[in-house]
Amino acid sequence: DQQVKQNSPSLSVQEGRISILNCDYTNSMFDYFLWYKKYPAEGPTFLISISSIKDKNEDGRFTVFLNKSAKHLSLHIVPSQPGDSAVYFCAASGWVSGSARQLTFGSGTQLTVLP
Amino acid sequence: ETGVTQTPRHLVMGMTNKKSLKCEQHLGHNAMYWYKQSAKKPLELMFVYNFKEQTENNSVPSRFSPECPNSSHLFLHLHTLQPEDSALYLCASSHVGDSDGYTFGSGTRLTVV
Repeated sequence: DQQVKQNSPSLSVQEGRISILNCDYTNSMFDYFLWYKKYPAEGPTFLISISSIKDKNEDGRFTVFLNKSAKHLSLHIVPSQPGDSAVYFCAASGWVSGSARQLTFGSGTQLTVLP
Repeated sequence: ETGVTQTPRHLVMGMTNKKSLKCEQHLGHNAMYWYKQSAKKPLELMFVYNFKEQTENNSVPSRFSPECPNSSHLFLHLHTLQPEDSALYLCASSHVGDSDGYTFGSGTRLTVV
């Protein structure tokens, strides 16, 4: 059973508009959430994160919102640019055992920004 | 070039072959990971090494055999693979207990024929 779910495999948005990518999680032990961006033939790269003690974190055009009661987070990109076209992975972090933290990933959303 | 380097970038192997994937990190991290990415599936954690010791093996078949000779190098030895093992294999590293996430390599695209 997937603990981190990205229910939209793809999203298309017009350049200049807002992109909203969604993610749901089931494990209440997760206390840190991250978004990664992946271009073809490259590994995922860290984009933005949020601690469970916050409900919003902003970095330039990227904002992540966390709703703990709904176990839901979203990534907003505004304005969207063609260079933002990539696969976006949601990830959740929690203590698995003793000193080990692990990241659990969603299945990703392919964002396409149309010029 | 990222701080995590994976070789080879592409690999095609037969089901009876033996090959190895290599990962090297120059970030001073002390934890290293192997992930498998299949099409339209989540990144699947395969193995975790903290301070060169394996701490996690997520029910991975024995035809995948990891090796971590030191905290900078990680290998994945492959033998008698199946076509369904074809995927992108990603290596990542981090500081143990670091909540800021991992640094990933570019991956090895493996095709089993």
